[in-house]
Amino acid sequence: AQSVTQLGSHVSVSEGALVLLRCNYSSSVPPYLFWYVQYPNQGLQLLLKYTSAATLVKGINGFEAEFKKSETSFHLTKPSAHMSDAAEYFCAVSPYNQGGKLIFGQGTELSVKP
Amino acid sequence: ETGVTQTPRHLVMGMTNKKSLKCEQHLGHNAMYWYKQSAKKPLELMFVYSLEERVENNSVPSRFSPECPNSSHLFLHLHTLQPEDSALYLCASSQGSRGLTDTQYFGPGTRLTVL
Repeated sequence: AQSVTQLGSHVSVSEGALVLLRCNYSSSVPPYLFWYVQYPNQGLQLLLKYTSAATLVKGINGFEAEFKKSETSFHLTKPSAHMSDAAEYFCAVSPYNQGGKLIFGQGTELSVKP
Repeated sequence: ETGVTQTPRHLVMGMTNKKSLKCEQHLGHNAMYWYKQSAKKPLELMFVYSLEERVENNSVPSRFSPECPNSSHLFLHLHTLQPEDSALYLCASSQGSRGLTDTQYFGPGTRLTVL
């Protein structure tokens, strides 16, 4: 069965520091991969997605993620954290040819210190 | 209204009550989803509708009953719930092209508390 693992349920960085949120997936066939962000009391908003085109995917708000098949990883990064980036981040995998079904990781809460 | 809306945003109900959650999408999509988000657990897919037909039901207890009268509206009817059903219930929609992975757009959720 497909699964998604997000390493670290909570990550804290200083404002201006690099943000790195880790995501690993298990799949025999490269799936489609997504990162979503959830701000307090809101639904999920798509940050970026990988659909077998370029392995480095750029998203909104300065975030990007790199698909590494050999490591089965899809880590999310941002060069310089802003206070407004504090939120919960979810990695999700959509297995190929399963009609858009999403399997989510447990989420990583990002805190940004001034 | 734009995007995906959900009402009510907050709901408190007793175990013997009957209530309904409503979701409406204004994106012209053909697929709609219900998810359950509990603390410290991954989002759980509950139901999927494509062109108003239920295509997935992930072993959800019968006290949750979905209804999709048209491609823009999705309901979740609740009855005789348990306290462990307290969670954030999220609705999402996507274009619904079979075999492709469409981006799912989420509503803000309904925070449900069962007393």
